[in-house]
Amino acid sequence: GAVVSQHPSRVICKSGTSVKIECRSLDFQATTMFWYRQFPKKSLMLMATSNEGSKATYEQGVEKDKFLINHASLTLSTLTVTSAHPEDSSFYICSGSRAVSYNEQFFGPGTRLTVL
Amino acid sequence: EDQVTQSPEALRLQEGESSSLNCSYTVSGLRGLFWYRQDPGKGPEFLFTLYSAGEEKEKERLKATLTKKESFLHITAPKPEDSATYLCAVQGSSNTGKLIFGQGTTLQVKP
Repeated sequence: GAVVSQHPSRVICKSGTSVKIECRSLDFQATTMFWYRQFPKKSLMLMATSNEGSKATYEQGVEKDKFLINHASLTLSTLTVTSAHPEDSSFYICSGSRAVSYNEQFFGPGTRLTVL
Repeated sequence: EDQVTQSPEALRLQEGESSSLNCSYTVSGLRGLFWYRQDPGKGPEFLFTLYSAGEEKEKERLKATLTKKESFLHITAPKPEDSATYLCAVQGSSNTGKLIFGQGTTLQVKP
């Protein structure tokens, strides 16, 4: 149990375009979903936390207008990178949690974004 | 400020050579300490959650322990397939569910 999927697994886009990444919890209801960014050989950096039906909470330094997060249902969250630039190239990982407290986060397989 | 430090940064073992990975933490009100395994190009895979000092959990060749200041991930008689990056994370009392991750320990087990 506790499987999270992400789509697409890899995406290459031109600078200035927008890219949408989907995160789905397949066998549980994710009350809270988290979006992370990971640079090569570095640990995970939390970008934002989203609860179903409410606005996402962004970490300090993360541009909310650039990284749009929607948590439309208990099984789906999306991250849209708007007007992507080469510096947005990274590995984006989502996770889902059944509850805010005392609960594990289950991670998706990640999405590799390359902006040319 | 909540903080997690893992050591060593990298570890090379021969198959069958047991060892331990360390995770030191400072957090205001520990709600949980989590261990994950991450293979290259993939998302972290959940291993263990520890909630209070003295707690231990085991899974195959892995055993996680917890004190008030640190956690250890003991690997007994490792195999090459145990090669991966092991991540430690803590959840504090902020009640947001946020995890603070360490930098990870990259383990390589040679046959």
